[in-house]
Amino acid sequence: DTEVTQTPKHLVMGMTNKKSLKCEQHMGHRAMYWYKQKAKKPPELMFVYSYEKLSINESVPSRFSPECPNSSLLNLHLHALQPEDSALYLCASSHEDRANTEAFFGQGTRLTVV
Amino acid sequence: GQNIDQPTEMTATEGAIVQINCTYQTSGFNGLFWYQQHAGEAPTFLSYNVLDGLEEKGRFSSFLSRSKGYSYLLLKELQMKDSASYLCAVIEGDGATNKLIFGTGTLLAVQP
Repeated sequence: DTEVTQTPKHLVMGMTNKKSLKCEQHMGHRAMYWYKQKAKKPPELMFVYSYEKLSINESVPSRFSPECPNSSLLNLHLHALQPEDSALYLCASSHEDRANTEAFFGQGTRLTVV
Repeated sequence: GQNIDQPTEMTATEGAIVQINCTYQTSGFNGLFWYQQHAGEAPTFLSYNVLDGLEEKGRFSSFLSRSKGYSYLLLKELQMKDSASYLCAVIEGDGATNKLIFGTGTLLAVQP
């Protein structure tokens, strides 16, 4: 199994809503990532989890709250988002202790904030 | 901070060869990846370089010069399905905690 599964595939939410994005992998990877990608732009790193601990937060606003309940799951909790937060949110995973292995990406959640 | 630059767009003809360049300035370099991303899809792995030189994988080759902060992706015998964005990505980190940082991306259009 070399898949990273993200749900939902599409999400429309209001600015006062609370929602969560989910990501799951069963490759035994101990590093997991959240990226944000706007149209025609490259993915931008948001968070890195290493062995279920948050190791990197790229100065992301607190309305985005990551959570890693176990080594296979990664969530991104959303609250009070703005329309400019509309984007494709990509989850990825890789072997933490081997920098030379690629990150596997999920298909992403396309988020629209109205 | 980091700077990872690529040409924004390129056009090439089916059957031809195209070279996509990437220049980078980063700290704690642990390797460079090339990813392909079709519109609306996830990025998929193409190649990895950490030592200077050329890595060949079928129709795709990637080159790295660490001293020059330069890499290129070479695509041979272009096919229409190669029309996609090509992303250069650098691994920064101390080996224990690594960040995969993407360049600006190159949108390649393959024409008949």
